[in-house]
Amino acid sequence: RKEVEQDPGPFNVPEGATVAFNCTYSNSASQSFFWYRQDCRKEPKLLMSVYSSGNEDGRFTAQLNRASQYISLLIRDSKLSDSATYLCVVNTIRTTDSWGKLQFGAGTQVVVTP
Amino acid sequence: GAVVSQHPSWVICKSGTSVKIECRSLDFQATTMFWYRQFPKQSLMLMATSNEGSKATYEQGVEKDKFLINHASLTLSTLTVTSAHPEDSSFYICSAGGLNNSPLHFGNGTRLTVT
Repeated sequence: RKEVEQDPGPFNVPEGATVAFNCTYSNSASQSFFWYRQDCRKEPKLLMSVYSSGNEDGRFTAQLNRASQYISLLIRDSKLSDSATYLCVVNTIRTTDSWGKLQFGAGTQVVVTP
Repeated sequence: GAVVSQHPSWVICKSGTSVKIECRSLDFQATTMFWYRQFPKQSLMLMATSNEGSKATYEQGVEKDKFLINHASLTLSTLTVTSAHPEDSSFYICSAGGLNNSPLHFGNGTRLTVT
């Protein structure tokens, strides 16, 4: 089993609709969680960190469920420009001077259609 | 603006030659940088962790003599693909993160094609 798993999609979403998808992780010691967005043939770019209490950034909402060991990302009022692959990143060790072990999901592809 | 700069963005080289890729942190000092490789439609795969002033830590299955990493300063790490072969063709990305568990920032990536 992979340490971080994502549904590869694609999720085909009509413009203006809402889409949500999860990322599961296997290591219960994981402490930090992030969502990155990667456009085709480009580097990943940080979309948002995921906090324990859940957090929102504009149309994007991230949630963390430690009991079931998954994080989620919800996109409201989808725009054509939201079409991308969304990577979840999980870090198992958190110290002030170490990144520990970062694990990447394979990504979930979202395609927003007119 | 970018906080991690990677150069070159793309390179085409002949089989058997070596290619050097640079990764620079622009706004902060990075004692640790990471090198990844990504094949089409696959996830990022960590190749190695680059440590300033010491040897890099390579992931299992990554040949340290083939992928030479040098982290000579707090703002620069280099990855040299030696004796490149067509199967080394891939998207190579570096990243660096600040302290206190701040998120990673990625370089813009280097698309390597070995002919």
